[in-house]
Parts: sequence; C-alpha cells; structure tokens
Amino acid sequence: EAGVAQSPRYKIIEKRQSVAFWCNPISGHATLYWYQQILGQGPKLLIQFQNNGVVDDSQLPKDRFSAERLKGVDSTLKIQPAKLEDSAVYLCASSLVPGQGYEQYFGPGTRLTVT
Amino acid sequence: AQKITQTQPGMFVQEKEAVTLDCTYDTSDPSYGLFWYKQPSSGEMIFLIYQGSYDQQNATEGRYSLNFQKARKSANLVISASQLGDSAMYFCAMSTKGGKLIFGQGTELSVKP
Repeated sequence: EAGVAQSPRYKIIEKRQSVAFWCNPISGHATLYWYQQILGQGPKLLIQFQNNGVVDDSQLPKDRFSAERLKGVDSTLKIQPAKLEDSAVYLCASSLVPGQGYEQYFGPGTRLTVT
Repeated sequence: AQKITQTQPGMFVQEKEAVTLDCTYDTSDPSYGLFWYKQPSSGEMIFLIYQGSYDQQNATEGRYSLNFQKARKSANLVISASQLGDSAMYFCAMSTKGGKLIFGQGTELSVKP
C-alpha cells in the first residue's frame, strides 16, 4: 500500500513570495490533515478536510494561507505572501475516517525555509 | 482547553535497557484517544501505539507499552530493550472528537551503545 505522498520535499523562498505544497493521501482515506511543525515544537493542525469539505480551519492564518482538496483526493496548501515565521515543516496526514481511534498516516513533509 | 505536556526535552538510555517517556494530558471530554509517534531525523512521523480513554487494559505493541493512569491524566510510553535505532524524537498526542491530533513538545531520546 502506497503511503502519503508530498512534494516538494524542500523549498527555499524569499519573504513575500508565494509557495504551494501538494499532498496525495492514502487511497480511500476520506480525511486529510495539514499540520505545521516549527523547529523544536510538535505539529500543529492547520486544516482538516473530510472528503472535499473543510471540517476545521480554526488555526489557519487565512489572510495568507489557503488550502483546497478538489474531488476529495489530492490537496494543495498555499502561502501568499510568505513571512519569515512560516519557516517550518508542513506535514500532510490522512486517515480512513475522522475520529479518536483512527491512526493518522503522515507523509514525509515539506521543509520550507523563508529568507 | 485540551493540552499535552511532555516535560523531558531530552533523555539518554543505555542500549538494551528500558526507558519511560512521560506524557500528561488535560481534557474535559470523557472520550479521547492518546497516541505516541516517533519522528526520526528523516522527518516522517511513525505511529507507535494507541490508547482509548475507555480501554481497561494498557496498550502494548511489541517493545512499546503505554502506562495509562487515567486518574493522574498520564500516558507514559515505555520502550523495553532499547535499540540504537530507537534514537529519535517522540511525540505524545491526544485526539479530539473531530479527529485532529494535539501534540506535545516532544522528547528527544538518545540510545547509547
């Protein structure tokens, strides 16, 4: 079974530029999550999708971050314009269904450096 | 507010010995789940073990066991017979009703030969 795929793995941009990350979840997984992990901290949820609808985006900085999940499969996360504090690893995860007992499978992450 | 606390930024253990990584949590929900993930230097998050709040027995998965003490709100991870490959960051996380995970700050484990 293929795991969660993410690209690119690394990205370096200057502040005020825009960037986009792509995630392909495990086949059949209805729930998709984007987490931000700042160096030295645990991941923090940015947005959660159930199929192609948003379940939770309460911690997404909506003035600069946007995300979509067209057709309930792949997802993209965009930052425009980027700030220095956006430097982090962006992790995509998927689970079969949402809920407490369901393991989330994580992708390898995209490491973003904003200079 | 829901919160996970890991008070050990770093831990050392001798190869083949057991080690306990601490985790305390705070929630007012009666139903919740507790996870432990391993994050090697390569960056991926690897699921280790899960404990549901209503589970009567402590969870075990191979060399990993979860010491769940509900009254104390603690969910410590015990790794038996440590191996060099266990060196990594370890995160405790709590799942909410909607499924999102709330993570602690992590504990960096170093296994000495």
